[in-house]
Amino acid sequence: DTAVSQTPKYLVTQMGNDKSIKCEQNLGHDTMYWYKQDSKKFLKIMFSYNNKELIINETVPNRFSPKSPDKAHLNLHINSLELGDSAVYFCASSRPGLAGANEQFFGPGTRLTVL
Amino acid sequence: GNSVTQMEGPVTLSEEAFLTINCTYTATGYPSLFWYVQYPGEGLQLLLKATKADDKGSNKGFEATYRKETTSFHLEKGSVQVSDSAVYFCALSVDSWGKLQFGAGTQVVVTP
Repeated sequence: DTAVSQTPKYLVTQMGNDKSIKCEQNLGHDTMYWYKQDSKKFLKIMFSYNNKELIINETVPNRFSPKSPDKAHLNLHINSLELGDSAVYFCASSRPGLAGANEQFFGPGTRLTVL
Repeated sequence: GNSVTQMEGPVTLSEEAFLTINCTYTATGYPSLFWYVQYPGEGLQLLLKATKADDKGSNKGFEATYRKETTSFHLEKGSVQVSDSAVYFCALSVDSWGKLQFGAGTQVVVTP
């Protein structure tokens, strides 16, 4: 059984379009995250939700809007896509503990290519 | 602010060689430290972790010790296999929400 799943796996689109990426976890975790991995493999957190409430919001353009309809789902909507948005986007989930010591479980990633 | 610095790759090794990937950190407070591994085309998986000074994390033959005095968390494996070829990320977390700060990643290539 897939623990953290993302759809789609690949997304190719034109500049200026709006697109969404979906994430679901069946681990019963309370907290979910979105990360962006650039072409040099550098990973940076974008957002985190705990029980549908936004708890981490890094310096991300407001074209990016996360939505969590319930604690098992965290979607990412991107408006007016730009070339620089091309990256692999990873969803993750965890049950936070003391000093964030708990393991995060990552999805397989969504490779977004903006043409 | 918090940051993680790890050695640049790629690191190319022959099978059965000894692997070390250096990782040092800067953090306010007392971070938890992690090594995550990313196999080609996949998401990240936790390899090992340590939550306090002098803790040793270990898994699949890999080890790393939390050294507060040198602010380091170097990853080692005594005898690598071709299947260990991957990108390895050192990371830290200092808050209860588990916000991870990653290093740049080190690609390891193991040849037969």
